[in-house]
Amino acid sequence: QSVLTQPPSASGTPGQRVTISCSGSSSNIGSHTVYWYQQLPGTAPKLLISKNNQRPSGVPDRFSGSKSGTSASLAISGLRSEDEADYYCATWDDSLSGRVFGGGTKLTVL
Amino acid sequence: EVHLVESGGGLVQPGGSLRLSCAASGFTFSSYEMNWVRQAPGKGLEWISYISTSSSPIYYADSVKGRFTISRDNAKNSLYLQMTSLRAEDTAVYYCARGWFDYWGQGTLVTVSS
Repeated sequence: QSVLTQPPSASGTPGQRVTISCSGSSSNIGSHTVYWYQQLPGTAPKLLISKNNQRPSGVPDRFSGSKSGTSASLAISGLRSEDEADYYCATWDDSLSGRVFGGGTKLTVL
Repeated sequence: EVHLVESGGGLVQPGGSLRLSCAASGFTFSSYEMNWVRQAPGKGLEWISYISTSSSPIYYADSVKGRFTISRDNAKNSLYLQMTSLRAEDTAVYYCARGWFDYWGQGTLVTVSS
């Protein structure tokens, strides 16, 4: 059971906008920046968003991140079939003195 | 181009030991913090250990503290994970990842079973 809570699943149709939430506390999201990762089936994860809302080079601008208080969100606009993957948030936790991942959200493109 | 290549995985009996290695190339290894992350079959990602550029500080997840040891050799551009007292629940794909996980290796499978 992770200290970062994500919905286990999300879905949308092509072209839609979907958001994935990541809920934490003052000891993690409330005090530290949030990162988001995409894991396509059978592959290693890939960094999507760093420091709450920064997109690394090569990541489409359809992906965006935000943070407010002790929660963060990943938004995907113009949904495509290739976005079907697992998505994870991550940050540092002061209470655990370690890095933590959310439980992951499986995104299905209907 | 950044490359991280893990090795050393395999089948080990409960209570046994294993040493994983991660060979880094394409960047100045000594300038980056490194991590080990694992993923049990069908499960999510679990961060298990972090090492700074100078090998201090080092952090571990509670699930492996006292059993696993992370280390690095900057001269050899290599990261290591010494795993002891292995349990069935340690069965997973083990990834090395740079910094805030901006680059990942392909992973190496560790199976703990009798």
